[in-house]
Amino acid sequence: IAGITQAPTSQILAAGRRMTLRCTQDMRHNAMYWYRQDLGLGLRLIHYSNTAGTTGKGEVPDGYSVSRANTDDFPLTLASAVPSQTSVYFCASSLFGSSEQYFGPGTRLTVT
Amino acid sequence: GQQVMQIPQYQHVQEGEDFTTYCNSSTTLSNIQWYKQRPGGHPVFLIQLVKSGEVKKQKRLTFQFGEAKKNSSLHITATQTTDVGTYFCAGQGGSEKLVFGKGTKLTVNP
Repeated sequence: IAGITQAPTSQILAAGRRMTLRCTQDMRHNAMYWYRQDLGLGLRLIHYSNTAGTTGKGEVPDGYSVSRANTDDFPLTLASAVPSQTSVYFCASSLFGSSEQYFGPGTRLTVT
Repeated sequence: GQQVMQIPQYQHVQEGEDFTTYCNSSTTLSNIQWYKQRPGGHPVFLIQLVKSGEVKKQKRLTFQFGEAKKNSSLHITATQTTDVGTYFCAGQGGSEKLVFGKGTKLTVNP
């Protein structure tokens, strides 16, 4: 693979279910991010990781958790999905925290 | 916390007309980045501005960073249908995370 990939592409999920969105990059970037994009609200940061083994909370972290066990992978977990988590989720990575971000193709999640 | 405001939210132009989107930060920025998202696609990095008063050009696109490093603009000369999409600015202040504006959605009538 080249770049950053996300899985699944889309998912319909019943409320209360647990779901993990996957994100993998092969660019050896240090930093990774999870955003959600909702109409009229732009991109909002959920969680980030500046380097493997560390994570931090973004603007809208409630209901989400992340882990960064290695450089390449940065999964996002919804422990118990709610309809307000219906959104398009983008994973991104950057070489450092201040450099340009490369985005994955996104996961469209619908919680019913 | 840091806020980044972007206007206008929508812009409709005729092909060949110019287009400008503006970005304003509540705090002084260390850098500002611009991204373009095509319909149905993901944000793609266009450029990063770091210096006060900096102006950079990419073909028909001109990016400017204000003297006070709190505002920025993207100007497209003679729009084409390929320019359609949403343009986002994203500002970073010091050790803060990148904060995205809500974007300007550009539609171009052929």
